Amino acid sequence: DIQLTQSPSSLSASVGDRVTITCRASQSITTYLNWYQQKPGTAPKLLIYVASTLQSGVPSRFSGRASGADFTLTITSLQPEDFATYFCQQSSSPPYTFGQGTKVEIK
Amino acid sequence: QLQLQESGSRLVKPSQTLSLTCAVSGDSISSGGYSWSWIRQPPAKGLEWIGYISQTGTAYYNPSLKSRLTMSVDRSKNLLSLKLSSVTAADTAVYYCARGWVAPYVLDKWGQGTLVTVSS
Repeated sequence: DIQLTQSPSSLSASVGDRVTITCRASQSITTYLNWYQQKPGTAPKLLIYVASTLQSGVPSRFSGRASGADFTLTITSLQPEDFATYFCQQSSSPPYTFGQGTKVEIK
Repeated sequence: QLQLQESGSRLVKPSQTLSLTCAVSGDSISSGGYSWSWIRQPPAKGLEWIGYISQTGTAYYNPSLKSRLTMSVDRSKNLLSLKLSSVTAADTAVYYCARGWVAPYVLDKWGQGTLVTVSS
């Protein structure tokens, strides 16, 4: 199975901060990497797919980038509604594994 | 607007079979060439991909669960189903159904999830 390692596991940030989350794949997945946002008690929500394509309706302050086996999710100017847990998922080959998640908390 | 709603046994005894269904509304489960997936999340933990069924009915199961897992689609009722046998406490989780694109594989619509507890 392809392993995805997210870092950091959690972070504290303030409204208006720029936040970057990294997801590293254990083997090549080209750009088959998706990002989801999950708020407590709710289902995950798709933010970005194939590494950098923004899902319809997702604010442009979210962006994704790929660099080899490393993928980043960046939130520019963090908003109150962005405090949540973020998961990456590889869609290169089944089983379509997830990263362990990064919790973004209010500083 | 597409909606997915999971339902089924909320409390299952160890060694028994967990059974869930996912009712799809707002569109036909046979339209659009989508796949249909199950994902689970143990309390306060991360997401685990369980498997999917393609538009043609081909199922792919997570190898870690394959020997205990059965997924199916009832197109006449717009229903997905999941059965997981010989459950243990490690199977306690929120179970989600979700719609997936085929290429690339992306989970764009999720049900609200249902908590299943395995306990005697």
